[in-house]
Amino acid sequence: EPEVTQTPSHQVTQMGQEVILRCVPISNHLYFYWYRQILGQKVEFLVSFYNNEISEKSEIFDDQFSVERPDGSNFTLKIRSTKLEDSAMYFCASSVHYGYTFGSGTRLTVV
Amino acid sequence: KNEVEQSPQNLTAQEGEFITINCSYSVGISALHWLQQHPGGGIVSLFMLSSGKKKHGRLIATINIQEKHSSLHITASHPRDSAVYICAVDASNYQLIWGAGTKLIIKP
Repeated sequence: EPEVTQTPSHQVTQMGQEVILRCVPISNHLYFYWYRQILGQKVEFLVSFYNNEISEKSEIFDDQFSVERPDGSNFTLKIRSTKLEDSAMYFCASSVHYGYTFGSGTRLTVV
Repeated sequence: KNEVEQSPQNLTAQEGEFITINCSYSVGISALHWLQQHPGGGIVSLFMLSSGKKKHGRLIATINIQEKHSSLHITASHPRDSAVYICAVDASNYQLIWGAGTKLIIKP
């Protein structure tokens, strides 16, 4: 069964450093998403991406965040200058239209 | 007020029991999703519903659009069903709105 692949599974970074979280969505999917889940809290929407541009973003997705689909297969989330409160599990998802497939997540720890 | 409310927040049951988890929502939706999150953190999509009822193995999901309510049932529960079950709705703007999840523990 097709999978959404996320790398790395766990990343530890110093506060203020840039991180790039990587996702390989399912190849025929058209919509791509990033969600995050702070430990003990509900999952929150960050951004959706369609046709090589952002279609929706939440208030969380400020100027520190950016997304790219650099090569037609990878879908990346960049956090420019990480803060302690960016520590969370980050999930990538993709869909054809409705019906999501999620990656297994990247646990980001900012120290 | 949360747009997606789940109940109960925590549920512990004995193996074999019939389990019901409820979800109510207050926004207009195009679809409702039930998802499972295991302790490692990964999320698996169980059902997507826009009307009626769906069944997959021992899992059954129902939705009542008029009442803005959905239920997830597990028949003949098993310890491997222990996980967090999350209800999420497709709002009109390409994003899922998530419930807080129901932590289910099935004891042998």
